[in-house]
Amino acid sequence: GQNIDQPTEMTATEGAIVQINCTYQTSGFNGLFWYQQHAGEAPTFLSYNVLDGLEEKGRFSSFLSRSKGYSYLLLKELQMKDSASYLCAVRDQNYQLIWGAGTKLIIKP
Amino acid sequence: GAVVSQHPSWVICKSGTSVKIECRSLDFQATTMFWYRQFPKQSLMLMATSNEGSKATYEQGVEKDKFLINHASLTLSTLTVTSAHPEDSSFYICSAPPERLSGANVLTFGAGSRLTVL
Repeated sequence: GQNIDQPTEMTATEGAIVQINCTYQTSGFNGLFWYQQHAGEAPTFLSYNVLDGLEEKGRFSSFLSRSKGYSYLLLKELQMKDSASYLCAVRDQNYQLIWGAGTKLIIKP
Repeated sequence: GAVVSQHPSWVICKSGTSVKIECRSLDFQATTMFWYRQFPKQSLMLMATSNEGSKATYEQGVEKDKFLINHASLTLSTLTVTSAHPEDSSFYICSAPPERLSGANVLTFGAGSRLTVL
């Protein structure tokens, strides 16, 4: 079966750096997405990786290793507003999106 | 970018009643929309793909007679939860066809509808 694994919850301090990992086993691979979802709201797009390596976008970066079935989202200079769930999603060989359960990130002052 | 309007944002209904959720594409046409359901602390689960002018495509395990989808125009798709039961209480989210962002086809989501069935 297809599976996306990410930690359920993480805690970090304002101003610090946090890395959220995602591992996947899917039928084929056509890209990996990271979305941010605040409580009670819809997900919003953060980043996309289809080739190995690091994609940087401001305070957020996302890394992909296809051979390891692994990605991480790196958040720098954490702000209180970054408290949210972060969803990892992989597009499989049929271009269907497979979603992880999300990692709830708690930022403490 | 693409904007998807979804309402109501939240609804409370009695068991056995029906609830309709609307999803509109603003300033663009959508021949396809996707309906997701999300239970607390769980993944987004695709329920069905809504196709303008034709029948929706339902995912395995989703009852098409319970979750009625209508996509009558290029800007509106509706999901009706019929004879709702407490176990149908969930967060329902629609999404538009992908737009090109950062080199990828990215889904744009509506704001979601929180359904509580008493």
